[in-house]
Amino acid sequence: NAGVIQTPRHKVTGKGQEATLWCEPISGHSAVFWYRQTIVQGLEFLTYFRNQAPIDDSGMPKERFSAQMPNQSHSTLKIQSTQPQDSAVYLCASSPSSAETLYFGSGTRLTVL
Amino acid sequence: GDKVKQSPSALSLQEGTNSALRCNFSIAATTVQWFLQNPRGSLINLFYLVPGTKENGRLKSAFDSKESYSTLHIRDAQLEDSGTYFCAADEGTGSNRLTFGKGTKFSLIP
Repeated sequence: NAGVIQTPRHKVTGKGQEATLWCEPISGHSAVFWYRQTIVQGLEFLTYFRNQAPIDDSGMPKERFSAQMPNQSHSTLKIQSTQPQDSAVYLCASSPSSAETLYFGSGTRLTVL
Repeated sequence: GDKVKQSPSALSLQEGTNSALRCNFSIAATTVQWFLQNPRGSLINLFYLVPGTKENGRLKSAFDSKESYSTLHIRDAQLEDSGTYFCAADEGTGSNRLTFGKGTKFSLIP
């Protein structure tokens, strides 16, 4: 069991560019979550999927952020027209169901210059 | 105010001592999870709790939903316990849509 895999580990973009972050959940887990961590705001929920269906995106900024889960083995978080305030560690997590132990990946550190 | 309030914010102890961390909730939590973020940045799940207690080695955790708090006790602290401890609670959803506390930074003095 390789755990939750996130790529890339680090990403640097210029202001206005697009960033796509990838997540491979633990095989067999039906729930996939995206969180964001910053020094100021701490750990914040963004969105989650259950059995690939979007369930709750209430934490996602309404503009520029989107998430998809095209198949059970990966999810993507896309940020269009990145801004410096988007700089954060983006964490993907999965759990066997929506309400069991949550396992986090190592995160993608996004830096927007 | 913070929906999940952790205390203390930082703790420095000598190896071999015991400590207690606490989270108070102003939300109707039905489940609580405790995580350790190690110095490399990885978030490791320590406990998933419904109301009650759990123990794992030198760690013991309790969650009281009626009094809206949870505790994490670390016995005989070791260097590998260093890092930041986070508690997180659902808001009555019973799902892993979690609200996190701001963490307790835990340092061991050799």
